[in-house]
Order: sequence, then C-alpha cells, then structure tokens
Amino acid sequence: GEDVEQSLFLSVREGDSSVINCTYTDSSSTYLYWYKQEPGAGLQLLTYIFSNMDMKQDQRLTVLLNKKDKHLSLRIADTQTGDSAIYFCAERVSNTGKLIFGQGTTLQVKP
Amino acid sequence: DTEVTQTPKHLVMGMTNKKSLKCEQHMGHRAMYWYKQKAKKPPELMFVYSYEKLSINESVPSRFSPECPNSSLLNLHLHALQPEDSALYLCASSQDASSNYGYTFGSGTRLTVV
Repeated sequence: GEDVEQSLFLSVREGDSSVINCTYTDSSSTYLYWYKQEPGAGLQLLTYIFSNMDMKQDQRLTVLLNKKDKHLSLRIADTQTGDSAIYFCAERVSNTGKLIFGQGTTLQVKP
Repeated sequence: DTEVTQTPKHLVMGMTNKKSLKCEQHMGHRAMYWYKQKAKKPPELMFVYSYEKLSINESVPSRFSPECPNSSLLNLHLHALQPEDSALYLCASSQDASSNYGYTFGSGTRLTVV
C-alpha cells in the first residue's frame, strides 16, 4: 500500500536554508505535493511536482524529486520566522482523489 | 473566490447531541473531501464526493454521515459521537477527483466531544 515518511522535526536559524525530506512508496504516484499548516489553521498548498520532473523552483521554494529512490525534498531559502509551521508531503493515489500524507515535519525557526 | 469556507470554526457537543459541520466552495470544483486530523498527526481521509456522489468512504463509523446537497456544499452530520472523535475536521475541494493540482483546504472545524 501507499506510505509516506518524513522526519518529525527540524530547527534552523533565521536566514539559513531549510531542507525537509520525504520518502514515498507508491511508484505509480504521478504528482507529489507539499503542504504547510500553521497552528490552528488548515493546510495550505505550497507547491507540487510532476513525477517526470527532477526539480521545480518557485521563489524561495525548491522541490527536488529522485524518482529512483522515491525521495522528495523541499528546500526553503532564507528561512524566516513566519516559515515556522508543520510541513506535510503527500502523494496522490491515482484516479481516486485520495491524498496520502506523511507524518509532517515541524519546522522551528530561531531568530 | 478561491476559498473553502467551513462553519462553525469551533464546536463543543455532548455525546447525545446531533450537530452538523458545513463546508462551501464557489470555485466550480466537482470533488469535495472530509478529512479528520488529530493533534500532531497528518490528516486522514474520511469521505470523497465526486460530482455530488459519494465515491469513497474510508470505513468511517455511521455516527458520521456526509451529505452533498449540491456542487458547492458539503455537510457532515454528527450523532452520538465519542470523546475520541474530538479532532480538527477539514474540508477540501479540487477540480475533480482526478485533478493533479492538489486540494484547496478550509481552515477546519475544531470539534470537542464532552
């Protein structure tokens, strides 16, 4: 079955880069997603990547995909205190609309 | 309008009460979802509606009853809940169930069952 794994916690200093990692199991996944959840809020879609891409960049966010190793990463450049949140990676189960989420990585940004 | 609106934001209910959670979107999306999220855990899918028809029920107990009255509205009717049902209930929508562009989530209803 599908499974998505992430490390649970990452602490960085303001201005540094953050790298959040994720591994997934479903080799048929065509799209992979990164969501951000701030305390007490819903989930905000940050970015997504199609499985035939290796990299996608969107302003301070860079997504890297290693399809062979089923490894996805999200790099946040010049991390700010407002980036403190839980970050979820997710894969979509083909043709069902169902998203499988990882456990979430709590990003703590120290001033 | 690019939002999913959920009401109420907070709900406290007793185990014998009947209440409903509401979700609304006006983006023309034809797939809508209910997710349950416990503290410090990822969201877990409960139901998927596609073109107003229930397409996925993830073996959710019958004390949760979804309803999709039209393409813009999604309800979750609650009856005889247990304290362990206390959680954040998230509604989401997407263009359709095979859309690749991810969901738009609402901000959730925080439910406490006493």
